[in-house]
Parts: sequence; C-alpha cells; structure tokens
Amino acid sequence: GAGVSQSPSNKVTEKGKDVELRCDPISGHTALYWYRQSLGQGLEFLIYFQGNSAPDKSGLPSDRFSAERTGGSVSTLTIQRTQQEDSAVYLCASSLGPSGIGSNQPQHFGDGTRLSIL
Amino acid sequence: DQQVKQNSPSLSVQEGRISILNCDYTNSMFDYFLWYKKYPAEGPTFLISISSIKDKNEDGRFTVFLNKSAKHLSLHIVPSQPGDSAVYFCAAPQGAQKLVFGQGTRLTINP
Repeated sequence: GAGVSQSPSNKVTEKGKDVELRCDPISGHTALYWYRQSLGQGLEFLIYFQGNSAPDKSGLPSDRFSAERTGGSVSTLTIQRTQQEDSAVYLCASSLGPSGIGSNQPQHFGDGTRLSIL
Repeated sequence: DQQVKQNSPSLSVQEGRISILNCDYTNSMFDYFLWYKKYPAEGPTFLISISSIKDKNEDGRFTVFLNKSAKHLSLHIVPSQPGDSAVYFCAAPQGAQKLVFGQGTRLTINP
C-alpha cells in the first residue's frame, strides 16, 4: 500500500510478556518515528530513525523498550516484561527526511497498534 | 516543558458555522507549524502547515493563521461539516529531527 502500515492493529497480552510491534514506512521515506498515545494524552515521542540508525532515543521510557530498523525500511519496537502502564496506542510515522527545524517535512502516520496489558 | 499547548480539550460547533481551534507555543525558533486530524482508531492525518514567514495559509475550507508576536496559531474550518468531528493536534519541529505535538482538541460538529 501507499501509506504507513503497522501490525498488529490490536494486541492483548499478559503482564510480564514481551511484545513486538511492526512498522512498514512509506517507500523511500528515510526518517521513521515511534510515538505512543496513552488514554486522554497527547502524542509522546519515543524514538527516531534516520536510515538504520537511531540518533534520538530520548523518548524511550525505560530499558525495557528497544527498537531497530533494518534495510532502511521496516522497524520493530520491542517491549520486554510488559507492565500495565505500557498499555497505549503505539503509532509509527515516516517522512521523506527529518522533520526538524528548517525542513518542513510532514510526518505520515500509520493507524497504530492498540496494546493492552492485562 | 510543554512547548506546544492546546488549552481547550474539546470544542462543540454547529454544522455550517466556523470552527476555530487554538494553539500556543513557547519556542520562537519554530520555523513551521502543522495541524493534524485524528479519527478514532486511525492514525493522525496531516491537514495543513504554515511557515513562520507567513501569517496565513489557506487550503479549501481550512485556514491556519499565525501570530508570531503572540506565539499563537489557529485553525479555522468554515463551513464546519459533520465529517470534521475528530481530534485536532498542532505540532512544531523540535530541534533538528522531530516534531512536538500539542495535547489535542476534540472537535464535535453538531447537526
């Protein structure tokens, strides 16, 4: 498809299990972002990739969270030993280049993965 | 430090009238701003942007106004339609690489 694709769309798992979320960005987009949106909250930045490297991991909330990107395309976000506070919608976005100051690059979002930790 | 703020969590407008969504920011280095629209169970969709060298940008029913002296921008939708009911986020670039988002305003268009 032409847009950002995320899978699964919904994930329910027990506390303490590991989960892996997948993001397939728009073809040709070098920049990839992960966000999460908890209930009633705004978009919280997690991590940014330029190509396969992650110059900004400042938003990852703990060392239980990690992400990788291979081939400059697909990215996976892994949460180990999930906790109930990890329940949120995890959104992935991509853009042609970095979206920072001076770039005017809109980010294009997938529909997210709704993660529920029981 | 919330650099982009949307102080109204919700707004209700009658169909056909004008909807005005507001956003305040603190960082005078922001050189462009974006508005996104989000329906339930979908990701945010880019709506319109404005460069900091402009004070207005219009696209169909959507117009964004920028007041740099007040560090304020607003999104006007006219006429409002039921399909405009959604959560609207304003955003601005943070540093060299990423966007920072406001908390969102839920717009409801009443028939």
